[in-house]
Amino acid sequence: IAGITQAPTSQILAAGRRMTLRCTQDMRHNAMYWYRQDLGLGLRLIHYSNTAGTTGKGEVPDGYSVSRANTDDFPLTLASAVPSQTSVYFCASSESGTGDYNEQFFGPGTRLTVL
Amino acid sequence: GQNIDQPTEMTATEGAIVQINCTYQTSGFNGLFWYQQHAGEAPTFLSYNVLDGLEEKGRFSSFLSRSKGYSYLLLKELQMKDSASYLCAPMDSNYQLIWGAGTKLIIKP
Repeated sequence: IAGITQAPTSQILAAGRRMTLRCTQDMRHNAMYWYRQDLGLGLRLIHYSNTAGTTGKGEVPDGYSVSRANTDDFPLTLASAVPSQTSVYFCASSESGTGDYNEQFFGPGTRLTVL
Repeated sequence: GQNIDQPTEMTATEGAIVQINCTYQTSGFNGLFWYQQHAGEAPTFLSYNVLDGLEEKGRFSSFLSRSKGYSYLLLKELQMKDSASYLCAPMDSNYQLIWGAGTKLIIKP
């Protein structure tokens, strides 16, 4: 593994189903993030974690949950998917969640379609 | 509220220079990032400014004026591979990046 990986690459999901998007990084970064990106809109933060064992809500957290059991993994769960959650989901990480110079590194994304 | 404003789309010619502007309003400020995103790919880091002035990195330069809430990204000697979206992202007082919708840059031969 080099950098950040996400799985699956793409998924078509029936509304009402539960889905977990996986994210793993091997850079030993403390902070991790989940974004969604929709056409015509900027990246919107769903949830974040500044360190293992802690999580926080971003701009659009409703309908999503996360956990951070260890440094490397940060899964995103949709408990009961709805069509409005159709989007491209990016996982990102940075060395720290605080401090000014805080470059975020992005995974390749998961394209999710909810029908 | 927090707001980022950048042009939706710009067109430029191969070999030319283009300037992409970004104005922002955020709750606090801890620097501003520019990212490049090719279609269907993840964003990648281009530059970071925390103090006023120009930061130069090869063909790319980024400028910041904190008092005006303004930044620009300058791309010189444009190449076809520079066709991408360019995302402006200031960092607020909570160290969260606030992302603009991006400027789609189209390079023509």
